[in-house]
Amino acid sequence: KNQVEQSPQSLIILEGKNCTLQCNYTVSPFSNLRWYKQDTGRGPVSLTIMTFSENTKSNGRYTATLDADTKQSSLHITASQLSDSASYICVVTDYNNDMRFGAGTRLTVKP
Amino acid sequence: DAEITQSPRHKITETGRQVTLACHQTWNHNNMFWYRQDLGHGLRLIHYSYGVHDTNKGEVSDGYSVSRSNTEDLPLTLESAASSQTSVYFCASSESLGTGLYGYTFGSGTRLTVV
Repeated sequence: KNQVEQSPQSLIILEGKNCTLQCNYTVSPFSNLRWYKQDTGRGPVSLTIMTFSENTKSNGRYTATLDADTKQSSLHITASQLSDSASYICVVTDYNNDMRFGAGTRLTVKP
Repeated sequence: DAEITQSPRHKITETGRQVTLACHQTWNHNNMFWYRQDLGHGLRLIHYSYGVHDTNKGEVSDGYSVSRSNTEDLPLTLESAASSQTSVYFCASSESLGTGLYGYTFGSGTRLTVV
């Protein structure tokens, strides 16, 4: 069983709308959680990183939250744009620097 | 500008052939990694290197090998390509051993098809 589960697998929204992507993990002991954006045909690019003590972190229209007690994270995208169409990958790292990748959420933003 | 490049972008090969995928980075990063990405799975680690002449096996290393003769390059070799190795391969590099905090810089990937 994957130690990092993401939902939904795919999502279609209209341009300008908001959306929230979920990441649940069982990785332990937890070090940090990172969200990556992967455009089609490209490698992943880091959006945010959160450590144990951080609850919320923003990067422009992207806001990530972390609840280390329930081992859940979310990525909220505000006022979506066509360029937000991509896969979003949650990556959790443990104290041994082992990184576990979620399978990603495929977001499609339609005009 | 520093970059990480993979070649080729696309490759079709026959079962049983040896294939080498190239990865070259100009970040001067010590740490380099190879992943494969398959539909429905997260990126899975194949091999990694923490410096010249250092190589280590990841979780899906069977059938693959790497060598690190300099800082810039980490070629990935499929000794005898199998259809199960059809995948998209990503190379990545990072600045420090604390790869989690500093994150990875990824290449654009190589799509390999084994027929």
